[in-house]
Amino acid sequence: GQNIDQPTEMTATEGAIVQINCTYQTSGFNGLFWYQQHAGEAPTFLSYNVLDGLEEKGRFSSFLSRSKGYSYLLLKELQMKDSASYLCAVMDSNYQLIWGAGTKLIIKP
Amino acid sequence: DADVTQTPRNRITKTGKRIMLECSQTKGHDRMYWYRQDPGLGLRLIYYSFDVKDINKGEISDGYSVSRQAQAKFSLSLESAIPNQTALYFCATSDSRDTGELFFGEGSRLTVL
Repeated sequence: GQNIDQPTEMTATEGAIVQINCTYQTSGFNGLFWYQQHAGEAPTFLSYNVLDGLEEKGRFSSFLSRSKGYSYLLLKELQMKDSASYLCAVMDSNYQLIWGAGTKLIIKP
Repeated sequence: DADVTQTPRNRITKTGKRIMLECSQTKGHDRMYWYRQDPGLGLRLIYYSFDVKDINKGEISDGYSVSRQAQAKFSLSLESAIPNQTALYFCATSDSRDTGELFFGEGSRLTVL
């Protein structure tokens, strides 16, 4: 079966750096997405990786290793507004998105 | 105004009632989706449509039906609502010419008593 694993919850301190991991087993691979979702709101797009390596976008970076079925989202200079759930999703060979359950990130002052 | 609009945003109904959730978009995207989200679970796909004449079941389509009335409109119906359909429902769109990035509506919170 297809599976996306990510930690359920993480806690970090304002101003620090946090890495959220995602491992996947899917039928084929056509890209990996990270979305941010604040409580009660819609998910919003953060990043897309289809090739191995690091994609940097401001305070957020996303890394992909296709051979290892692994990605991480790196958040730097954490702010209180970064408290949210972070969703990892993989597009399989049928161009269907397989979603992880999300990682709830709690930022403490 | 939001590019992807869902109505109603909140709805409380009783078991056995018919409910329709509506979604409209101004993004000009050809693909539209309905997801439900439950606490502790990932987004689960109910139905999706790649164009007006193309409707496909997702992983949890039982108890639901959809209609793609136009490229911009995609509605989800619960013919006879049951309590375990209580959830947050999201409509989303994507452009087939793009990476597959989804653009979500604000969500419709449905409670079935």
